[in-house]
Amino acid sequence: GAVVSQHPSWVICKSGTSVKIECRSLDFQATTMFWYRQFPKQSLMLMATSNEGSKATYEQGVEKDKFLINHASLTLSTLTVTSAHPEDSSFYICSAPGPGQETQYFGPGTRLLVL
Amino acid sequence: SQKIEQNSEALNIQEGKTATLTCNYTNYSPAYLQWYRQDPGRGPVFLLLIRENEKEKRKERLKVTFDTTLKQSLFHITASQPADSATYLCALLNYGGSQGNLIFGKGTKLSVKP
Repeated sequence: GAVVSQHPSWVICKSGTSVKIECRSLDFQATTMFWYRQFPKQSLMLMATSNEGSKATYEQGVEKDKFLINHASLTLSTLTVTSAHPEDSSFYICSAPGPGQETQYFGPGTRLLVL
Repeated sequence: SQKIEQNSEALNIQEGKTATLTCNYTNYSPAYLQWYRQDPGRGPVFLLLIRENEKEKRKERLKVTFDTTLKQSLFHITASQPADSATYLCALLNYGGSQGNLIFGKGTKLSVKP
């Protein structure tokens, strides 16, 4: 089946620094990838849709200048959390649509802790 | 806007019993509904998709029903095993969003005791 990887799996950073998270589709191409954030005991909340060759689409309330998304190729999307603050600490998960665009294949997630 | 409710935050059952999880939604009826499994610290894994014209769908020990009148889906795991312990998420297509954009319920954490 389709595999989506994320790197790093966890990261600890100081407040004010930037962190980049990579999402790769390993055995298929993805013109679209989704970035989610999940707080403990909460549902996955869609942050933005990453589109290869065009700008990302951000959900309401998500600051595009703080969460920079770049869909560099058909197999790679990156999320950069700029000037990270402790409240940005969360579990970040990416996904890519499967065949037919109905289901989604998720990456293993990245745990971010901002001190 | 569409909302999804998974009424039980947690469900504890004995090994061998059938686990039944509930997903309710408001507003419009989706063309299809999906169930995912999420283990702690991991991304969700797709399990089943059921369409609006399907009443029931099965996959091994899993069964999903879809009642568009009640706006409800039930997810059953028969002959449950401790390895089935995980959080199960219900998801719907978010109309108006990007293609493939899903909205998720909070999930039900299932614990199967040996």
